[in-house]
Amino acid sequence: EAQVTQNPRYLITVTGKKLTVTCSQNMNHEYMSWYRQDPGLGLRQIYYSMNVEVTDKGDVPEGYKVSRKEKRNFPLILESPSPNQTSLYFCASSPPGPHQPQHFGDGTRLSIL
Amino acid sequence: DAKTTQPNSMESNEEEPVHLPCNHSTISGTDYIHWYRQLPSQGPEYVIHGLTSNVNNRMASLAIAEDRKSSTLILHRATLRDAAVYYCILRPRYNQGGKLIFGQGTELSVKP
Repeated sequence: EAQVTQNPRYLITVTGKKLTVTCSQNMNHEYMSWYRQDPGLGLRQIYYSMNVEVTDKGDVPEGYKVSRKEKRNFPLILESPSPNQTSLYFCASSPPGPHQPQHFGDGTRLSIL
Repeated sequence: DAKTTQPNSMESNEEEPVHLPCNHSTISGTDYIHWYRQLPSQGPEYVIHGLTSNVNNRMASLAIAEDRKSSTLILHRATLRDAAVYYCILRPRYNQGGKLIFGQGTELSVKP
């Protein structure tokens, strides 16, 4: 089954403790992207990757890092999480091109205390 | 920069058509218009997309204004399962569709 898998699905942690949210897709897609969703603000793009070793900033990249060492994986790294990064996070992937639909994961709910 | 504007919420009756509007007055000529919906406790799912011409698929229809400054997602017969948040998103060609432009989403409620 074609899917985008995020782990963990839920995490409660404390300020400053480094964490990584993994994202993996099994569709051989070149493009992958991370979003955060907050009440009243909708979806906002954090980082995206056009292919292996090619990443770029979205609208809200501050406080986040990403890497794309393999085509299927695109982890989101919070080096020093802060409470304002408490949010619902989604990973998505698609083939290349602006006409392509994205496939989204089920989301990761992060709470930073 | 282009952006999209959507009403915060809309209501519909079951089995009636629903027209969800999106304004993208600063769209460039090569931006694709995508619509996604998000059911409660799920990730967004793709509904439809288009560039200039109207589009139909099994889920919905997309009507794009001639000047491309607005578009309308049409659900022909709303069901209770169509209650969701609908997002109008632009995917620009200039960066190969990398950086997306989002609207705030319209929360659609469907009354039986």
